[in-house]
Amino acid sequence: DTAVSQTPKYLVTQMGNDKSIKCEQNLGHDTMYWYKQDSKKFLKIMFSYNNKELIINETVPNRFSPKSPDKAHLNLHINSLELGDSAVYFCASSQGLAGGPNYNEQFFGPGTRLTVL
Amino acid sequence: AQTVTQSQPEMSVQEAETVTLSCTYDTSESDYYLFWYKQPPSRQMILVIRQEAYKQQNATENRFSVNFQKAAKSFSLKISDSQLGDAAMYFCAYRNYGGSQGNLIFGKGTKLSVKP
Repeated sequence: DTAVSQTPKYLVTQMGNDKSIKCEQNLGHDTMYWYKQDSKKFLKIMFSYNNKELIINETVPNRFSPKSPDKAHLNLHINSLELGDSAVYFCASSQGLAGGPNYNEQFFGPGTRLTVL
Repeated sequence: AQTVTQSQPEMSVQEAETVTLSCTYDTSESDYYLFWYKQPPSRQMILVIRQEAYKQQNATENRFSVNFQKAAKSFSLKISDSQLGDAAMYFCAYRNYGGSQGNLIFGKGTKLSVKP
Protein backbone atom coordinates (compact mmCIF):
# COMPACT_ATOMS: atom_id res chain seq x y z
CA ASP A 1 0.00 0.00 0.00
CA THR A 2 1.24 3.45 -0.91
CA ALA A 3 1.84 5.57 2.21
CA VAL A 4 1.90 9.00 0.53
CA SER A 5 0.45 9.25 -2.95
CA GLN A 6 0.35 12.14 -5.38
CA THR A 7 -1.64 12.65 -8.55
CA PRO A 8 -0.73 13.22 -11.23
CA LYS A 9 2.90 12.09 -11.47
CA TYR A 10 3.44 14.16 -14.58
CA LEU A 11 1.69 17.36 -15.56
CA VAL A 12 2.37 19.31 -18.75
CA THR A 13 0.45 22.51 -19.28
CA GLN A 14 0.53 25.91 -20.92
CA MET A 15 1.46 29.19 -19.29
CA GLY A 16 -1.49 30.95 -17.74
CA ASN A 17 -3.44 27.79 -16.97
CA ASP A 18 -4.67 26.75 -13.53
CA LYS A 19 -3.80 23.28 -12.26
CA SER A 20 -4.02 21.19 -9.10
CA ILE A 21 -1.88 18.47 -7.59
CA LYS A 22 -3.45 16.13 -5.10
CA CYS A 23 -1.78 14.44 -2.15
CA GLU A 24 -3.14 11.76 0.15
CA GLN A 25 -1.53 9.89 3.02
CA ASN A 26 -2.88 6.76 4.66
CA LEU A 27 -0.50 6.80 7.62
CA GLY A 28 -2.82 8.57 10.02
CA HIS A 29 -0.42 11.51 10.26
CA ASP A 30 -1.61 14.94 11.32
CA THR A 31 1.02 17.03 9.51
CA MET A 32 1.57 17.39 5.79
CA TYR A 33 4.05 19.35 3.70
CA TRP A 34 4.68 20.56 0.19
CA TYR A 35 8.26 20.85 -1.04
CA LYS A 36 9.47 22.19 -4.39
CA GLN A 37 12.51 20.76 -6.16
CA ASP A 38 13.79 23.08 -8.86
CA SER A 39 15.73 22.26 -12.01
CA LYS A 40 18.99 22.28 -10.03
CA LYS A 41 17.58 19.66 -7.67
CA PHE A 42 17.30 22.10 -4.76
CA LEU A 43 14.49 21.09 -2.38
CA LYS A 44 12.71 23.74 -0.37
CA ILE A 45 9.68 23.78 1.88
CA MET A 46 6.64 25.61 0.54
CA PHE A 47 3.87 24.89 3.01
CA SER A 48 3.05 22.76 5.98
CA TYR A 49 -0.28 21.98 7.56
CA ASN A 50 -0.93 20.58 11.00
CA ASN A 51 -4.43 19.31 11.74
CA LYS A 52 -5.65 21.15 8.64
CA GLU A 53 -4.18 24.46 9.82
CA LEU A 54 -1.50 26.30 7.87
CA ILE A 55 1.77 26.36 9.83
CA ILE A 56 4.40 27.35 7.29
CA ASN A 57 4.11 29.52 4.20
CA GLU A 58 7.59 30.15 2.89
CA THR A 59 7.34 33.28 0.72
CA VAL A 60 5.46 31.41 -1.92
CA PRO A 61 3.55 33.51 -4.47
CA ASN A 62 -0.13 33.73 -3.68
CA ARG A 63 -0.82 32.01 -7.00
CA PHE A 64 -0.14 28.87 -4.98
CA SER A 65 -2.97 27.93 -2.68
CA PRO A 66 -2.81 24.79 -0.57
CA LYS A 67 -6.03 23.26 0.64
CA SER A 68 -6.42 20.64 3.33
CA PRO A 69 -9.97 19.25 3.35
CA ASP A 70 -8.99 16.78 6.06
CA LYS A 71 -5.86 15.55 7.81
CA ALA A 72 -5.23 12.90 5.16
CA HIS A 73 -5.22 15.27 2.20
CA LEU A 74 -3.22 18.33 1.21
CA ASN A 75 -3.83 19.57 -2.29
CA LEU A 76 -1.91 22.26 -4.13
CA HIS A 77 -3.68 24.56 -6.53
CA ILE A 78 -1.66 26.83 -8.80
CA ASN A 79 -3.22 29.73 -10.67
CA SER A 80 -1.84 31.46 -13.75
CA LEU A 81 1.06 29.09 -14.20
CA GLU A 82 4.42 30.58 -15.16
CA LEU A 83 7.49 29.05 -16.77
CA GLY A 84 9.34 29.30 -13.45
CA ASP A 85 6.81 27.03 -11.80
CA SER A 86 8.26 24.09 -13.70
CA ALA A 87 9.66 21.80 -11.02
CA VAL A 88 9.05 18.58 -9.14
CA TYR A 89 6.63 19.01 -6.27
CA PHE A 90 6.84 16.62 -3.33
CA CYS A 91 4.21 16.03 -0.72
CA ALA A 92 5.28 14.61 2.65
CA SER A 93 3.67 13.74 5.95
CA SER A 94 4.69 13.16 9.56
CA GLN A 95 3.07 12.72 12.91
CA GLY A 96 3.42 16.00 14.73
CA LEU A 97 5.55 19.05 14.09
CA ALA A 98 8.25 19.14 16.69
CA GLY A 99 10.83 16.42 16.88
CA GLY A 100 11.38 15.89 20.56
CA PRO A 101 12.75 12.63 21.87
CA ASN A 102 10.28 10.59 19.85
CA TYR A 103 11.25 11.52 16.36
CA ASN A 104 8.62 10.91 13.72
CA GLU A 105 9.92 10.37 10.24
CA GLN A 106 8.68 12.35 7.27
CA PHE A 107 7.42 10.17 4.49
CA PHE A 108 7.60 11.52 0.97
CA GLY A 109 5.32 10.98 -1.97
CA PRO A 110 6.71 10.04 -5.39
CA GLY A 111 6.70 13.63 -6.63
CA THR A 112 4.82 15.39 -9.41
CA ARG A 113 6.85 16.73 -12.30
CA LEU A 114 5.19 19.91 -13.53
CA THR A 115 6.26 21.29 -16.89
CA VAL A 116 4.94 24.67 -17.98
CA LEU A 117 5.29 25.41 -21.69
CA ALA B 1 17.85 30.78 10.06
CA GLN B 2 19.35 27.37 9.65
CA THR B 3 21.32 26.52 6.53
CA VAL B 4 22.79 23.33 5.12
CA THR B 5 25.76 23.29 2.74
CA GLN B 6 26.98 20.46 0.56
CA SER B 7 30.19 21.55 -1.12
CA GLN B 8 30.52 18.60 -3.52
CA PRO B 9 28.08 18.86 -6.43
CA GLU B 10 29.34 15.54 -7.83
CA MET B 11 31.33 12.59 -6.55
CA SER B 12 32.42 9.35 -8.11
CA VAL B 13 33.43 6.04 -6.56
CA GLN B 14 34.54 2.67 -7.81
CA GLU B 15 32.28 -0.24 -7.02
CA ALA B 16 33.24 -1.89 -3.68
CA GLU B 17 35.22 1.17 -2.61
CA THR B 18 34.39 3.70 0.10
CA VAL B 19 33.25 7.26 -0.46
CA THR B 20 32.54 10.14 1.91
CA LEU B 21 30.04 12.89 1.19
CA SER B 22 30.45 16.18 3.06
CA CYS B 23 27.85 18.35 4.75
CA THR B 24 28.10 21.37 6.99
CA TYR B 25 25.27 23.25 8.60
CA ASP B 26 24.61 26.37 10.58
CA THR B 27 22.25 26.68 13.51
CA SER B 28 22.05 28.41 16.85
CA GLU B 29 20.08 25.51 18.32
CA SER B 30 21.71 22.94 20.56
CA ASP B 31 19.24 20.15 19.82
CA TYR B 32 18.26 19.13 16.31
CA TYR B 33 18.18 16.24 13.85
CA LEU B 34 20.37 15.66 10.84
CA PHE B 35 19.60 13.34 7.96
CA TRP B 36 20.91 11.96 4.75
CA TYR B 37 18.35 11.29 2.04
CA LYS B 38 18.92 9.40 -1.18
CA GLN B 39 17.10 10.29 -4.37
CA PRO B 40 17.62 7.76 -7.20
CA PRO B 41 16.49 8.48 -10.76
CA SER B 42 13.01 7.30 -9.77
CA ARG B 43 12.72 10.59 -7.80
CA GLN B 44 11.63 8.86 -4.62
CA MET B 45 13.12 10.42 -1.47
CA ILE B 46 14.56 7.67 0.70
CA LEU B 47 15.80 8.22 4.23
CA VAL B 48 19.29 6.74 4.54
CA ILE B 49 20.30 7.65 8.06
CA ARG B 50 19.38 9.93 10.93
CA GLN B 51 21.43 11.51 13.72
CA GLU B 52 20.11 13.18 16.85
CA ALA B 53 22.38 16.05 17.88
CA TYR B 54 22.22 15.12 21.56
CA LYS B 55 23.71 11.71 20.83
CA GLN B 56 27.47 11.58 20.75
CA GLN B 57 27.59 8.21 19.06
CA ASN B 58 27.66 8.31 15.29
CA ALA B 59 24.69 6.67 13.60
CA THR B 60 25.25 3.57 11.48
CA GLU B 61 22.93 1.73 9.10
CA ASN B 62 24.60 -1.26 7.47
CA ARG B 63 27.06 0.13 4.89
CA PHE B 64 26.16 3.74 5.73
CA SER B 65 27.67 5.64 8.63
CA VAL B 66 28.07 9.25 9.60
CA ASN B 67 30.81 11.33 11.13
CA PHE B 68 28.99 13.86 13.26
CA GLN B 69 31.16 16.67 14.58
CA LYS B 70 28.83 18.93 16.56
CA ALA B 71 31.34 21.62 17.43
CA ALA B 72 32.43 21.90 13.81
CA LYS B 73 28.82 21.60 12.60
CA SER B 74 29.85 18.89 10.22
CA PHE B 75 27.88 15.80 9.23
CA SER B 76 29.52 13.60 6.61
CA LEU B 77 28.17 10.35 5.17
CA LYS B 78 30.43 7.39 4.53
CA ILE B 79 29.31 4.68 2.16
CA SER B 80 31.35 1.49 2.43
CA ASP B 81 31.52 -1.26 -0.18
CA SER B 82 29.76 0.94 -2.72
CA GLN B 83 27.24 -0.75 -4.96
CA LEU B 84 25.84 0.24 -8.34
CA GLY B 85 22.48 0.82 -6.67
CA ASP B 86 24.01 3.53 -4.51
CA ALA B 87 24.23 5.84 -7.51
CA ALA B 88 21.85 8.71 -6.76
CA MET B 89 21.54 12.28 -5.51
CA TYR B 90 22.27 12.50 -1.81
CA PHE B 91 20.81 15.27 0.27
CA CYS B 92 21.87 16.35 3.72
CA ALA B 93 19.00 17.78 5.75
CA TYR B 94 18.36 19.48 9.08
CA ARG B 95 15.27 19.58 11.27
CA ASN B 96 14.63 21.44 14.49
CA TYR B 97 14.27 19.31 17.59
CA GLY B 98 11.56 21.43 19.14
CA GLY B 99 9.44 24.37 18.16
CA SER B 100 6.41 24.50 15.97
CA GLN B 101 7.90 23.85 12.54
CA GLY B 102 8.73 20.32 11.52
CA ASN B 103 9.96 20.92 8.01
CA LEU B 104 13.29 19.71 6.67
CA ILE B 105 15.97 22.11 5.46
CA PHE B 106 17.99 20.60 2.65
CA GLY B 107 21.43 21.11 1.18
CA LYS B 108 21.78 21.37 -2.58
CA GLY B 109 22.72 17.74 -2.97
CA THR B 110 25.65 15.65 -4.18
CA LYS B 111 25.32 13.48 -7.24
CA LEU B 112 27.08 10.18 -6.63
CA SER B 113 28.18 8.02 -9.54
CA VAL B 114 29.34 4.44 -9.00
CA LYS B 115 31.70 2.96 -11.58
CA PRO B 116 31.65 -0.80 -12.22
